[in-house]
Amino acid sequence: EAEVAQSPRYKITEKSQAVAFWCDPISGHATLYWYRQILGQGPELLVQFQDESVVDDSQLPKDRFSAERLKGVDSTLKIQPAELGDSAMYLCASSLQVGNEQFFGPGTRLTVL
Amino acid sequence: QQQVKQSPQSLIVQKGGISIINCAYENTAFDYFPWYQQFPGKGPALLIAIRPDVSEKKEGRFTISFNKSAKQFSLHIMDSQPGDSATYFCAASHLQGAQKLVFGQGTRLTINP
Repeated sequence: EAEVAQSPRYKITEKSQAVAFWCDPISGHATLYWYRQILGQGPELLVQFQDESVVDDSQLPKDRFSAERLKGVDSTLKIQPAELGDSAMYLCASSLQVGNEQFFGPGTRLTVL
Repeated sequence: QQQVKQSPQSLIVQKGGISIINCAYENTAFDYFPWYQQFPGKGPALLIAIRPDVSEKKEGRFTISFNKSAKQFSLHIMDSQPGDSATYFCAASHLQGAQKLVFGQGTRLTINP
């Protein structure tokens, strides 16, 4: 069964360091999403891609976060510099097209010390 | 206006009982209401979804009840089983445009054997 792959699964870093997360969506899925899930809360959309183009990044803290999907397939989310408040689960999801069911990956648990 | 409020935060139900989780929204432009199930260490997975042209949708033991005038919807799990123990999230989105999902805060459901 096709799944969304994410790596690493866990990341511990010190504040002010740079971190990067990788996502490989289900093959053929044009839409890719990055969510942040703070412990005890629901996921919050950070950025949405349609192929290689950003559709929505209104909740992405652009002073420190960046995301890219250069070839419209896999994607990288970067934080530089990391802050204590960035500790959360970072989830990637993909869908065939906008409006179709979103399939989530297992997430990357980030801890900033 | 973009918020989705979910209750209760946690719920304990005996095996065989009915689990009920409630959500309320404010934005009347929302027209797609999915429920997600999340097990520890996993990403959320779509459980069941409803559109506002119907008041109820049933899939196996899971039922969504939708009250458009009250701007509320709920998930009912009949004959709850220990394997249903998970965190449940309601969500809402527009079917037009970027179709960004707005999630509720989550309900941790425990089914006692």
